[in-house]
This record gives sequence, structure tokens and C-alpha cells, in this order.
Amino acid sequence: GEDVEQSLFLSVREGDSSVINCTYTDSSSTYLYWYKQEPGAGLQLLTYIFSNMDMKQDQRLTVLLNKKDKHLSLRIADTQTGDSAIYFCAETPFVNYGGSQGNLIFGKGTKLSVKP
Amino acid sequence: KAGVTQTPRYLIKTRGQQVTLSCSPISGHRSVSWYQQTPGQGLQFLFEYFSETQRNKGNFPGRFSGRQFSNSRSEMNVSTLELGDSALYLCASSLAGDREETQYFGPGTRLLVL
Repeated sequence: GEDVEQSLFLSVREGDSSVINCTYTDSSSTYLYWYKQEPGAGLQLLTYIFSNMDMKQDQRLTVLLNKKDKHLSLRIADTQTGDSAIYFCAETPFVNYGGSQGNLIFGKGTKLSVKP
Repeated sequence: KAGVTQTPRYLIKTRGQQVTLSCSPISGHRSVSWYQQTPGQGLQFLFEYFSETQRNKGNFPGRFSGRQFSNSRSEMNVSTLELGDSALYLCASSLAGDREETQYFGPGTRLLVL
């Protein structure tokens, strides 16, 4: 079945780069997403990548996709204390009815702690 | 533009009761999805509504149901509450629920079942 896995914790120093990793199992064409959740808040979409892409860059964020290994990573450059949050990797399988994003499969989340 | 709003924000119920949660999407958004977040199971998809029709459904028992109104507002209902239903229930909206659209999440309703 479909499953998304992430490491649970990551600690970095302010100014360093953070790399959050994710593996997924669905081999069909899919979109892959990164969400951020701050304490007491809902989820915020950071970025997404389609499975026919290898890389996507958006300001401080770089997403790398290794389709062969079904491995996705999110790199945050110049990490700030405000980046401390839980980061979720998510996918939506190609077979999803009507192409809807509604049925997202999430990883358990990686808690990023940024030390000053 | 107002974001996704969910009411109530916090709720305490006892086993066997039922509960109704409400979600108002961003104006103009027609797709509304519901997710359950628990420490053990993480985020799990409940269902998605589009134009008053349920378009997708997750693997939850029939005690969990939902509906969407003509103004796109959505409600979810849980009947015969169990302790394991204690969770943060998140609602998300997007224009049409297409894959590349941004899906905006509300702050959630935290339900505690005693």
C-alpha cells in the first residue's frame, strides 16, 4: 500500500542549511508536497513537485526528487529560528479520482529545531 | 481575504455522544477536505467534498460522515464517539481540488473524548 516515511527529528544551528528527507512507496505518477505546521496552527503548503521533475527551487527552499529510490528531500538554506516547526511530506496517488489533491497521504512529520 | 475558519476550536465530549464540526472555506473555494491528526496515526484523510458531492473518502468507519452546502461550507459529524476519536480535525479548501493547487488549511478543531 501507500506509505510515506520521514525521520522524526532534526536539529540545526541558525544560519546552517537543513535537509529533511522523505521516502514514499507509490510508484505511479504523483505530486509530492511539503507542508509546514507551527504549534497550534494548521498546515501551510510550502512547495510541491511533480514526479517528472528532479528539482524545484523556491527562494530558500530546494526540493530534490530521486524517482529511482522514491526519495524526496527539502533543503532550507540559511535556516532561521522562525523555521522551527514540523515539516510534513505528502503525496497524492495518480489513481486518485478526478485528479483531486484532496486525498493526501502524509508522513508522520519531522520536527525541526533551530538553535540560535 | 479571510482564511479557512473552523468552529468550534475546542470541544470536549463523552463516549457515546455525537459531534458536528464546521468548516468555512476561503471565499470562492469549492473543494473542502477533512483530515484527522493524532500523535499515533499522524494525519489521515477523512473525505473530500466538491460542489456538494463527496468526491473521495478515506478509510474511516461509517460513524464519520460529512456534507457540503451550496455555499461550500462543510460539516463533519462523528456519531457514537469513542476515546480514540480524540484528535485535531483539520479542514482544507482549494479552488477545485486540482493537484497543483494550493490547499489552505484551517487551524483545526481539537476534540477530546472522555
